[in-house]
Amino acid sequence: NAGVTQTPKFRILKIGQSMTLQCTQDMNHNYMYWYRQDPGMGLKLIYYSVGAGITDKGEVPNGYNVSRSTTEDFPLRLELAAPSQTSVYFCASTPGLSSYNSPLHFGNGTRLTVT
Amino acid sequence: DAKTTQPPSMDCAEGRAANLPCNHSTISGNEYVYWYRQIHSQGPQYIIHGLKNNETNEMASLIITEDRKSSTLILPHATLRDTAVYYCIVRVSNAGNNRKLIWGLGTSLAVNP
Repeated sequence: NAGVTQTPKFRILKIGQSMTLQCTQDMNHNYMYWYRQDPGMGLKLIYYSVGAGITDKGEVPNGYNVSRSTTEDFPLRLELAAPSQTSVYFCASTPGLSSYNSPLHFGNGTRLTVT
Repeated sequence: DAKTTQPPSMDCAEGRAANLPCNHSTISGNEYVYWYRQIHSQGPQYIIHGLKNNETNEMASLIITEDRKSSTLILPHATLRDTAVYYCIVRVSNAGNNRKLIWGLGTSLAVNP
């Protein structure tokens, strides 16, 4: 199993550009999450999904959109990039209700700079 | 979910035990204690979790006080590769509540040769 895979690893965007951060997992996990981590800070939840076709906002959703058309994939979309979105983005997954004590499995992150 | 308090930084000599404390004085009876670590800006990695009994796995041991208001993560023989930020998190045992996790700043552990 590859676990949780995120692409790209690094990206530099100009203000106003858009991009999609990709996240895929091969563990057949139902629950998936997007976090951002600013320098020296803890993780903040952006969006999460409890299954294909179901998404919901987390703590800091403004400026982002998500979709979940398959169990495996959970892409994060930035429509109009702003400098405040400069951060490291982590995707995570967990099995869901069938294994409620299971921990989160994280990808290795996408480092995004908006200038 | 209850909040946790951890020291911002700690040092440990290579080969010695690293004992990382965590205070969770407002923990509820159905909240578990989870520990993760983050090595050099990689994605956080799960270490161990427990409810009220002490737990041990191949990575670490978790000691939870009888009143459950604090816990200690023990890395029995720390190596340089254990240098990381360690996060202590409490949450109700419900997969849906992962969305409510509060990630603080953790403890930055430096293992010195």
